[in-house]
Amino acid sequence: SQELEQSPQSLIVQEGKNLTINCTSSKTLYGLYWYKQKYGEGLIFLMMLQKGGEEKSHEKITAKLDEKKQQSSLHITASQPSHAGIYLCGADIRWTGNQFYFGTGTSLTVIP
Amino acid sequence: DGGITQSPKYLFRKEGQNVTLSCEQNLNHDAMYWYRQDPGQGLRLIYYSQIVNDFQKGDIAEGYSVSREKKESFPLTVTSAQKNPTAFYLCASRTTRGGMNEQFFGPGTRLTVL
Repeated sequence: SQELEQSPQSLIVQEGKNLTINCTSSKTLYGLYWYKQKYGEGLIFLMMLQKGGEEKSHEKITAKLDEKKQQSSLHITASQPSHAGIYLCGADIRWTGNQFYFGTGTSLTVIP
Repeated sequence: DGGITQSPKYLFRKEGQNVTLSCEQNLNHDAMYWYRQDPGQGLRLIYYSQIVNDFQKGDIAEGYSVSREKKESFPLTVTSAQKNPTAFYLCASRTTRGGMNEQFFGPGTRLTVL
């Protein structure tokens, strides 16, 4: 789907480094979700953001939703090999009906 | 424990054969979804259902069919009309009550058509 643009497509970082993944929509998002996926497995829910300017953190992962509710970022502090995987943003986009769209994903590799 | 199950994890079929992928949830969720994931791509919505006996096409419904006869079950049939069925298929569900809610995902089924 082109409704959500995610960047970068892939990321290789040294263990201990910080990193940021972005998710952008041309339209207002009514709910923004971040998921993590290990190759060949299902998606694990990380965080949900609903309000403009909202920020949530869990362990070393912080997600933010901008004031216009069109862009979100996922920031990992002091990355670890356990952070490796595919990160996907998903969103409720009401104007197309009650559907749910995903970004194309960001593949993260953390080098020990 | 509550959750979503998909079976089988790996499925092989000959070209031209229909195949049905199972998805069951015991989370009492109203909405259920089927996605397809190809290498290097995100998830694309095939079908979704908000209530029993009702379902809607997603972005790539051609060559697929679904049914929702029970709240707990949302099987997906990949028909011979699907031109490129080899992919990883993910089922998800979520509650539709109380505003925005995250989707819960099953472990996926990898379908390979020979």
